[in-house]
Amino acid sequence: GDSVTQMEGPVTLSEEAFLTINCTYTATGYPSLFWYVQYPGEGLQLLLKATKADDKGSNKGFEATYRKETTSFHLEKGSVQVSDSAVYFCALNPQGGSEKLVFGKGTKLTVNP
Amino acid sequence: GAGVSQTPSNKVTEKGKYVELRCDPISGHTALYWYRQSLGQGPEFLIYFQGTGAADDSGLPNDRFFAVRPEGSVSTLKIQRTERGDSAVYLCASSRTAFRNEQFFGPGTRLTVL
Repeated sequence: GDSVTQMEGPVTLSEEAFLTINCTYTATGYPSLFWYVQYPGEGLQLLLKATKADDKGSNKGFEATYRKETTSFHLEKGSVQVSDSAVYFCALNPQGGSEKLVFGKGTKLTVNP
Repeated sequence: GAGVSQTPSNKVTEKGKYVELRCDPISGHTALYWYRQSLGQGPEFLIYFQGTGAADDSGLPNDRFFAVRPEGSVSTLKIQRTERGDSAVYLCASSRTAFRNEQFFGPGTRLTVL
């Protein structure tokens, strides 16, 4: 079945460091791919998405590129801030049919000043 | 405008009891989704509605779980004969339509079964 695998956390970085959170997926065809973020005390919110191979999603300085050949959608940011501290979830929506999201386990990021 | 709201925010019940969890989607959103999130895990899909009908209920774990959306707006997730393993945060989300639109999540209901 469809699944998402994320790098295990927690991840701790200093402010202005480079961030990569790895995400790979298993699915048939061409799923849509998402990154959701959950800030402390808040609900899940969409960070960025990509709906076809080689698309790049970007928002708030974060980027992720849909790589069909490696079935990956790694999240990157060039310079993290303390306010980026949150839990990040990679997710996919399978192609053709249900609109459900399949989530990874989440990666907790802490950014220290 | 108002986001997705869920009530109650916390529910503590005893094993074997019946519970109802309510979700109010964003006004005008036709698709509504339920997920369950256990500690340290990502959300797990349960069911989604397009309008009043359940378009995909493949994630419901067993027949103790049931959800309705009678008027195409508010939805209720119903759990019969609760078990300790049902303890989790139950998340509701809605989207404008069901075709690859952004899902907006509510704050969740934390269910604890003693």
